[in-house]
Amino acid sequence: GNSVTQMEGPVTLSEEAFLTINCTYTATGYPSLFWYVQYPGEGLQLLLKATKADDKGSNKGFEATYRKETTSFHLEKGSVQVSDSAVYFCAQSGGSNYKLTFGKGTLLTVNP
Amino acid sequence: KAGVTQTPRYLIKTRGQQVTLSCSPISGHRSVSWYQQTPGQGLQFLFEYFSETQRNKGNFPGRFSGRQFSNSRSEMNVSTLELGDSALYLCASSLVQTYNEQFFGPGTRLTVL
Repeated sequence: GNSVTQMEGPVTLSEEAFLTINCTYTATGYPSLFWYVQYPGEGLQLLLKATKADDKGSNKGFEATYRKETTSFHLEKGSVQVSDSAVYFCAQSGGSNYKLTFGKGTLLTVNP
Repeated sequence: KAGVTQTPRYLIKTRGQQVTLSCSPISGHRSVSWYQQTPGQGLQFLFEYFSETQRNKGNFPGRFSGRQFSNSRSEMNVSTLELGDSALYLCASSLVQTYNEQFFGPGTRLTVL
Protein backbone atom coordinates (compact mmCIF):
# COMPACT_ATOMS: atom_id res chain seq x y z
CA GLY A 1 0.00 0.00 0.00
CA ASN A 2 0.91 3.65 -0.08
CA SER A 3 3.23 4.86 2.64
CA VAL A 4 5.32 7.85 3.69
CA THR A 5 8.61 7.70 5.56
CA GLN A 6 10.14 10.81 7.07
CA MET A 7 13.22 11.33 9.13
CA GLU A 8 12.89 10.67 12.83
CA GLY A 9 13.15 13.59 15.14
CA PRO A 10 13.51 15.49 17.18
CA VAL A 11 15.54 18.02 15.24
CA THR A 12 17.08 20.88 17.22
CA LEU A 13 18.60 23.84 15.41
CA SER A 14 19.83 27.30 16.23
CA GLU A 15 18.09 30.29 14.74
CA GLU A 16 19.18 31.03 11.14
CA ALA A 17 20.42 27.48 10.58
CA PHE A 18 19.58 25.50 7.44
CA LEU A 19 16.80 22.95 7.73
CA THR A 20 16.25 19.72 5.85
CA ILE A 21 13.62 17.14 6.75
CA ASN A 22 13.73 14.09 4.53
CA CYS A 23 10.59 12.44 3.18
CA THR A 24 10.20 9.48 0.83
CA TYR A 25 7.06 7.78 -0.36
CA THR A 26 5.84 4.56 -1.91
CA ALA A 27 2.78 4.68 -4.11
CA THR A 28 1.12 3.18 -7.12
CA GLY A 29 0.80 5.86 -9.71
CA TYR A 30 1.67 9.50 -9.15
CA PRO A 31 0.38 10.92 -5.90
CA SER A 32 0.11 14.52 -4.84
CA LEU A 33 2.56 15.37 -2.07
CA PHE A 34 2.17 17.70 0.88
CA TRP A 35 3.87 19.12 3.91
CA TYR A 36 1.69 19.99 6.86
CA VAL A 37 2.74 21.76 10.06
CA GLN A 38 1.22 21.39 13.50
CA TYR A 39 1.85 23.96 16.22
CA PRO A 40 1.29 22.99 19.85
CA GLY A 41 -2.37 22.55 20.69
CA GLU A 42 -3.53 23.13 17.14
CA GLY A 43 -4.67 21.18 14.12
CA LEU A 44 -2.66 20.73 10.94
CA GLN A 45 -1.96 23.56 8.54
CA LEU A 46 -1.06 22.99 4.92
CA LEU A 47 2.45 24.36 4.41
CA LEU A 48 3.05 23.50 0.75
CA LYS A 49 2.15 21.01 -1.93
CA ALA A 50 3.21 19.58 -5.29
CA THR A 51 0.98 17.67 -7.64
CA LYS A 52 3.35 16.33 -10.30
CA ALA A 53 6.96 15.39 -10.86
CA ASP A 54 9.50 18.23 -10.72
CA ASP A 55 6.96 20.62 -9.20
CA LYS A 56 8.38 22.79 -6.42
CA GLY A 57 6.08 23.79 -3.62
CA SER A 58 7.03 26.84 -1.58
CA ASN A 59 5.59 28.90 1.25
CA LYS A 60 6.97 31.09 4.08
CA GLY A 61 10.55 30.35 3.02
CA PHE A 62 10.02 26.58 2.99
CA GLU A 63 10.50 24.60 -0.23
CA ALA A 64 10.13 21.01 -1.40
CA THR A 65 10.58 19.48 -4.85
CA TYR A 66 8.67 16.43 -6.08
CA ARG A 67 11.34 13.96 -7.22
CA LYS A 68 9.81 10.99 -9.00
CA GLU A 69 13.12 9.30 -9.69
CA THR A 70 13.99 9.15 -5.98
CA THR A 71 10.36 9.13 -4.74
CA SER A 72 11.23 11.98 -2.40
CA PHE A 73 9.80 15.29 -1.24
CA HIS A 74 12.35 16.76 1.17
CA LEU A 75 11.48 19.92 3.07
CA GLU A 76 14.08 22.71 3.21
CA LYS A 77 14.41 26.18 4.63
CA GLY A 78 17.47 28.33 4.37
CA SER A 79 17.19 30.15 7.68
CA VAL A 80 14.89 28.90 10.41
CA GLN A 81 13.30 31.07 13.07
CA VAL A 82 12.17 30.29 16.60
CA SER A 83 8.59 30.60 15.35
CA ASP A 84 9.17 27.61 13.03
CA SER A 85 9.27 25.29 16.03
CA ALA A 86 6.51 22.76 15.39
CA VAL A 87 5.84 19.23 14.17
CA TYR A 88 6.11 18.73 10.42
CA PHE A 89 4.25 16.01 8.55
CA CYS A 90 4.87 14.77 5.05
CA ALA A 91 1.80 13.32 3.33
CA GLN A 92 0.62 11.90 0.06
CA SER A 93 -2.71 11.51 -1.65
CA GLY A 94 -3.57 9.93 -4.92
CA GLY A 95 -6.05 8.00 -6.95
CA SER A 96 -9.63 7.80 -5.84
CA ASN A 97 -9.12 6.73 -2.24
CA TYR A 98 -9.94 10.21 -0.92
CA LYS A 99 -7.46 10.14 1.92
CA LEU A 100 -4.11 11.47 3.02
CA THR A 101 -1.39 9.09 4.15
CA PHE A 102 0.97 10.73 6.62
CA GLY A 103 4.47 10.17 7.82
CA LYS A 104 5.12 9.91 11.56
CA GLY A 105 6.01 13.57 11.91
CA THR A 106 9.24 15.36 12.80
CA LEU A 107 9.46 17.64 15.81
CA LEU A 108 11.55 20.72 15.08
CA THR A 109 12.82 22.94 17.87
CA VAL A 110 14.61 26.16 17.00
CA ASN A 111 16.59 27.82 19.77
CA PRO A 112 17.39 31.55 19.83
CA LYS B 1 -14.16 32.71 5.53
CA ALA B 2 -14.41 30.71 8.72
CA GLY B 3 -12.22 27.63 9.03
CA VAL B 4 -13.16 24.10 9.98
CA THR B 5 -14.74 24.01 13.42
CA GLN B 6 -14.91 21.05 15.75
CA THR B 7 -16.90 20.61 18.92
CA PRO B 8 -16.25 19.95 21.65
CA ARG B 9 -12.56 20.73 21.90
CA TYR B 10 -12.04 18.48 24.91
CA LEU B 11 -13.88 15.43 26.21
CA ILE B 12 -13.34 13.09 29.12
CA LYS B 13 -15.20 9.80 29.09
CA THR B 14 -14.96 6.47 30.87
CA ARG B 15 -14.52 3.04 29.36
CA GLY B 16 -17.69 1.58 27.90
CA GLN B 17 -19.34 4.93 27.22
CA GLN B 18 -20.00 6.31 23.78
CA VAL B 19 -19.11 9.69 22.34
CA THR B 20 -20.17 11.89 19.41
CA LEU B 21 -17.87 14.47 17.87
CA SER B 22 -19.01 17.19 15.51
CA CYS B 23 -17.35 18.92 12.58
CA SER B 24 -18.48 21.89 10.50
CA PRO B 25 -16.53 22.24 7.25
CA ILE B 26 -15.47 25.40 5.51
CA SER B 27 -18.39 26.93 3.65
CA GLY B 28 -18.62 25.38 0.19
CA HIS B 29 -16.56 22.33 1.07
CA ARG B 30 -18.54 19.16 0.58
CA SER B 31 -15.94 16.54 1.41
CA VAL B 32 -15.21 15.84 5.08
CA SER B 33 -12.55 13.46 6.37
CA TRP B 34 -11.73 12.27 9.87
CA TYR B 35 -8.34 11.28 11.27
CA GLN B 36 -7.16 9.91 14.58
CA GLN B 37 -3.85 11.17 15.96
CA THR B 38 -2.00 9.31 18.70
CA PRO B 39 1.65 9.43 19.83
CA GLY B 40 2.15 5.76 18.97
CA GLN B 41 0.32 5.40 15.66
CA GLY B 42 0.56 8.94 14.35
CA LEU B 43 -2.16 10.19 12.02
CA GLN B 44 -4.52 7.52 10.76
CA PHE B 45 -7.42 7.93 8.36
CA LEU B 46 -10.84 7.04 9.73
CA PHE B 47 -13.31 7.83 6.94
CA GLU B 48 -14.35 10.32 4.30
CA TYR B 49 -17.80 11.59 3.38
CA PHE B 50 -19.19 13.41 0.39
CA SER B 51 -22.84 14.20 -0.23
CA GLU B 52 -23.85 12.20 2.82
CA THR B 53 -22.10 9.09 1.48
CA GLN B 54 -19.08 7.39 2.95
CA ARG B 55 -16.59 6.98 0.10
CA ASN B 56 -13.69 5.46 1.98
CA LYS B 57 -13.04 3.93 5.36
CA GLY B 58 -9.81 3.28 7.19
CA ASN B 59 -8.83 0.20 9.13
CA PHE B 60 -10.77 0.80 12.34
CA PRO B 61 -13.26 -1.43 14.14
CA GLY B 62 -16.99 -1.02 13.65
CA ARG B 63 -17.22 0.89 16.94
CA PHE B 64 -16.12 3.89 14.92
CA SER B 65 -18.83 5.30 12.70
CA GLY B 66 -19.71 8.55 11.09
CA ARG B 67 -22.26 10.39 9.05
CA GLN B 68 -22.68 13.54 7.04
CA PHE B 69 -25.69 15.77 6.85
CA SER B 70 -27.16 17.60 3.88
CA ASN B 71 -25.42 20.82 4.95
CA SER B 72 -22.07 18.95 4.82
CA ARG B 73 -21.64 18.98 8.60
CA SER B 74 -20.34 15.67 9.87
CA GLU B 75 -20.35 13.69 13.08
CA MET B 76 -18.36 10.71 14.19
CA ASN B 77 -19.37 8.32 16.91
CA VAL B 78 -17.31 5.93 18.96
CA SER B 79 -19.22 3.34 20.95
CA THR B 80 -18.02 1.19 23.84
CA LEU B 81 -14.98 3.35 24.44
CA GLU B 82 -11.63 1.75 25.22
CA LEU B 83 -8.58 3.30 26.84
CA GLY B 84 -6.79 3.11 23.48
CA ASP B 85 -9.35 5.42 21.91
CA SER B 86 -7.77 8.34 23.76
CA ALA B 87 -6.52 10.57 20.95
CA LEU B 88 -6.84 13.82 19.09
CA TYR B 89 -9.58 13.47 16.48
CA LEU B 90 -9.10 15.76 13.52
CA CYS B 91 -11.63 16.71 10.92
CA ALA B 92 -10.65 18.05 7.52
CA SER B 93 -12.68 19.47 4.66
CA SER B 94 -11.96 20.02 1.00
CA LEU B 95 -13.50 21.18 -2.22
CA VAL B 96 -14.71 18.49 -4.55
CA GLN B 97 -12.33 19.52 -7.28
CA THR B 98 -9.24 19.40 -5.05
CA TYR B 99 -10.30 16.75 -2.65
CA ASN B 100 -6.76 15.92 -1.65
CA GLU B 101 -6.01 19.47 -0.47
CA GLN B 102 -7.52 19.21 2.94
CA PHE B 103 -8.01 21.92 5.55
CA PHE B 104 -7.96 20.77 9.13
CA GLY B 105 -9.84 21.84 12.22
CA PRO B 106 -8.23 22.22 15.66
CA GLY B 107 -9.33 18.76 16.73
CA THR B 108 -11.21 17.22 19.63
CA ARG B 109 -9.02 15.85 22.41
CA LEU B 110 -10.72 12.71 23.77
CA THR B 111 -9.49 11.19 27.00
CA VAL B 112 -10.88 7.81 28.06
CA LEU B 113 -10.44 6.91 31.73
